[in-house]
Amino acid sequence: QQQVKQSPQSLIVQKGGISIINCAYENTAFDYFPWYQQFPGKGPALLIAIRPDVSEKKEGRFTISFNKSAKQFSLHIMDSQPGDSATYFCAASKAAGNKLTFGGGTRVLVKP
Amino acid sequence: DVKVTQSSRYLVKRTGEKVFLECVQDMDHENMFWYRQDPGLGLRLIYFSYDVKMKEKGDIPEGYSVSREKKERFSLILESASTNQTSMYLCASRSPGQGMDGYTFGSGTRLTVV
Repeated sequence: QQQVKQSPQSLIVQKGGISIINCAYENTAFDYFPWYQQFPGKGPALLIAIRPDVSEKKEGRFTISFNKSAKQFSLHIMDSQPGDSATYFCAASKAAGNKLTFGGGTRVLVKP
Repeated sequence: DVKVTQSSRYLVKRTGEKVFLECVQDMDHENMFWYRQDPGLGLRLIYFSYDVKMKEKGDIPEGYSVSREKKERFSLILESASTNQTSMYLCASRSPGQGMDGYTFGSGTRLTVV
């Protein structure tokens, strides 16, 4: 039983386009929602994170949108670049906790 | 920068073998974690350790054990390897003082059990 469900599993977008990845969670005790980026041969690295007291957080071309009532959050990659081609994972946890619960991952390919 | 080093990039082992996966971090982090990564399932937590000699089961501990005798080293042990343990294994470390942003992952060990 996956507590964090992520979609789509893969995504192809043209350079300059918008990549959108969605996640839904079940545990209402979660209050920390990060996104990780993983390149081939590397471990995941934190990209951006949000807490439920805000509905949106933007860092450069990356934006998290958060909908607490729907228990959903999403990652938008604006002006997608070939260098953004990677696997993206959403995750959730309690901010005061230790354990991250991950979604299934989305492989993003940005075509030049 | 924190470095989390996993001793092997690729491993091939036979069914029934005892397998040791080693992880070392160089920033005096109290917390260390072992995850396995499988396509479509994301990362799933096997075991974690709050501090030396302390360990706690994660979501999928069956068939695994861990050892943490020194703060910088966290070992994952497959007591009797099976083909369904073929996977990518990722180690991570964190200092509680950094909050949840402080997770740092190693580059992974791809284990194949034949």
